[in-house]
Amino acid sequence: SQTIHQWPATLVQPVGSPLSLECTVEGTSNPNLYWYRQAAGRGLQLLFYSVGIGQISSEVPQNLSASRPQDRQFILSSKKLLLSDSGFYLCAWSRQVPGNTIYFGEGSWLTVV
Amino acid sequence: KQEVTQIPAALSVPEGENLVLNCSFTDSAIYNLQWFRQDPGKGLTSLLLIQSSQREQTSGRLNASLDKSSGRSTLYIAASQPGDSATYLCALYAFGNEKLTFGTGTRLTIIP
Repeated sequence: SQTIHQWPATLVQPVGSPLSLECTVEGTSNPNLYWYRQAAGRGLQLLFYSVGIGQISSEVPQNLSASRPQDRQFILSSKKLLLSDSGFYLCAWSRQVPGNTIYFGEGSWLTVV
Repeated sequence: KQEVTQIPAALSVPEGENLVLNCSFTDSAIYNLQWFRQDPGKGLTSLLLIQSSQREQTSGRLNASLDKSSGRSTLYIAASQPGDSATYLCALYAFGNEKLTFGTGTRLTIIP
C-alpha cells in the first residue's frame, strides 16, 4: 500500500529564518506531488506541484520554493520566512492519471514569530 | 476560472439527524468531484469520488451526488454521530488541469 510521510509536524520559526519541509511517498512510482497551504479561516491554496523529478510548477508567486530531488521526495523551502508564511502546510500525491484520487499527508503546522 | 463554493461555512445538528452538505461549482467541464474530511489539525481524508459520468457514490452512511448541469454536488450523511464532526471539503478536477480546485469547506458539529 501507499503511504505519505511529512515532517516536521510542528515548528515555530523566527522571521527571516530558513524553512525546509520534507515529504516522501512510499509504495508507488512517478507520482504527481503537491504542496498546499491552509491559512486560518481560508481554503486550501495550491502552492506547487510536480509531475516528475526536477519539474516544478508554481501556482502563486511568493517567498517559498519547492524541489523534487528524487522521484518520491518533495521539499518545500524558504530562505527567509515572513510572518505571512504561517499556516498549515499539506503535502499530497496522486497517480499520473487525470482526475485520480489525491492523498494527503498529516500536515505541518508552521508558526512564524 | 473554476470557482467552488460551500455553503454554509458551519453547521450544527443534533446527533441522529440526517443532513446534507452542499458544494457548487461554476464550470461543468470536470473529470470528477471528490469529498474530503478534515479533522482539526490533521490532513485530509478522501471520502468519496464521483466520476464525471456518474451521478452518485455511496459509502456506508455517506452518499454523494453530482449534477453537472446545475453545477452542484451534495454529501448526504445519514444518522449523524458525534464522530462525524469535522470539516468537509469538496474538490474537483477540471479538464486539462492536473490540479484540484477546493471549496472552502463546511465545519460540521454533531451535538450529542
